[in-house]
Amino acid sequence: GQQVMQIPQYQHVQEGEDFTTYCNSSTTLSNIQWYKQRPGGHPVFLIQLVKSGEVKKQKRLTFQFGEAKKNSSLHITATQTTDVGTYFCARPGAGGTSYGKLTFGQGTILTVHP
Amino acid sequence: ETGVTQSPTHLIKTRGQQVTLRCSSQSGHNTVSWYQQALGQGPQFIFQYYREEENGRGNFPPRFSGLQFPNYSSELNVNALELDDSALYLCASGRTGVDEQYFGPGTRLTVT
Repeated sequence: GQQVMQIPQYQHVQEGEDFTTYCNSSTTLSNIQWYKQRPGGHPVFLIQLVKSGEVKKQKRLTFQFGEAKKNSSLHITATQTTDVGTYFCARPGAGGTSYGKLTFGQGTILTVHP
Repeated sequence: ETGVTQSPTHLIKTRGQQVTLRCSSQSGHNTVSWYQQALGQGPQFIFQYYREEENGRGNFPPRFSGLQFPNYSSELNVNALELDDSALYLCASGRTGVDEQYFGPGTRLTVT
């Protein structure tokens, strides 16, 4: 189907260590989005990747979109306690009238130990 | 923070009852989507409204219904509540032609 698989499910790191979460699809994606949800909060849009091989950076966060547009990754350098939360990738629905009908991955729960 | 608001924040209902959740979209947005997020899971797409009509539905039964009003605010109605309906219900607004969504704080529904 149009699921996106996300690994790992959990990641525990010491503050200062790096973190990476991966998102994989069996079908080619028009784009991939990443969201962060803090504990007790709601998903917050981080970024959208559209182009094959695209790499975007936001301070310590690096987002990549695979050459085949079937996988993506989020890498955080030197984690901080403020990075705690669940990171979701999300794919849009198929078809030109399906904007915003997102299918989310299962999420990666990041815990940062000070 | 987004300009999407939701009410109420929390709600407790009994199995078999009906519930209405409300959402006010961010200014300038013309689509509103509803998602159900069970504990420990990613949000699941329920449906989207555009121009006051349903514009796509996920794998949810007809007892989940909605409305969008001319001011782009929206309601989610759930009839004949079941225990498995206990979840965080998220409203997200967006614009046609754009995939990114802006989520509200959610309504935590507990069905007992």
